[in-house]
Amino acid sequence: QLQLQESGPGLVKSSETLSLTCIVSGGSIISSSYYWDWIRQPPGKGPEWIGSIFYSGITYYNPSLQSRVTISVDTSKNQFSLKLSSVTVADTAVYFCATQSTLDDDYGAIDNWGQGTLATVSS
Amino acid sequence: DIQMTQSPSSLSASVRDRVTITCRASQDIRNDLGWYQQKPGKAPKRLIYAASSLQSGVPSRFSGSGSGTEFTLTISSLQPEDFATYYCLQHNSYPLTFGQGTMVEIK
Repeated sequence: QLQLQESGPGLVKSSETLSLTCIVSGGSIISSSYYWDWIRQPPGKGPEWIGSIFYSGITYYNPSLQSRVTISVDTSKNQFSLKLSSVTVADTAVYFCATQSTLDDDYGAIDNWGQGTLATVSS
Repeated sequence: DIQMTQSPSSLSASVRDRVTITCRASQDIRNDLGWYQQKPGKAPKRLIYAASSLQSGVPSRFSGSGSGTEFTLTISSLQPEDFATYYCLQHNSYPLTFGQGTMVEIK
């Protein structure tokens, strides 16, 4: 069964770059069955979709974050990563990695989540 | 962007009550909608996919309906473990967008 695990520093200074990695186990990231996604959730608020990547490198980003976001994939390590630049306290959130299905009857749906990691931006 | 308007934002209910939560999309999303349950400190868990299909392993008291712009999640008989926050998510077009959430509390 596919499992996702986020990792990265829990504390980032304002104006710096937040970097997180999602390690994929129980399956290959070189799969046509999934896009690999990042979603975040500020404390006490609802989730916000950040973006997604296919193993070939095709990416989709939320326009609200597009100028600051880069998602990349490392097939040799079976992982994908998020970089968010010029962070502010408003970027403090739990960051989840997730899978987005490419199966016909479930195309585009988020169907599997990591446990999430809290990233705090200090001023 | 497609806006998802979810209501109510919170509700109080008793065990065995019937609960209904609604999501309205700002444009036609066919049946490209899922419902998720989230408990404190945990990742969301999908309950319903394709608007009305029950995720494997999810109790049958959960059901979804709707298509186009109006969607409903129903819990037929609320159980103690169902007290949580519920979100809808549209995946018809990018960016994917969530409803604001409905917190289901114990009356």
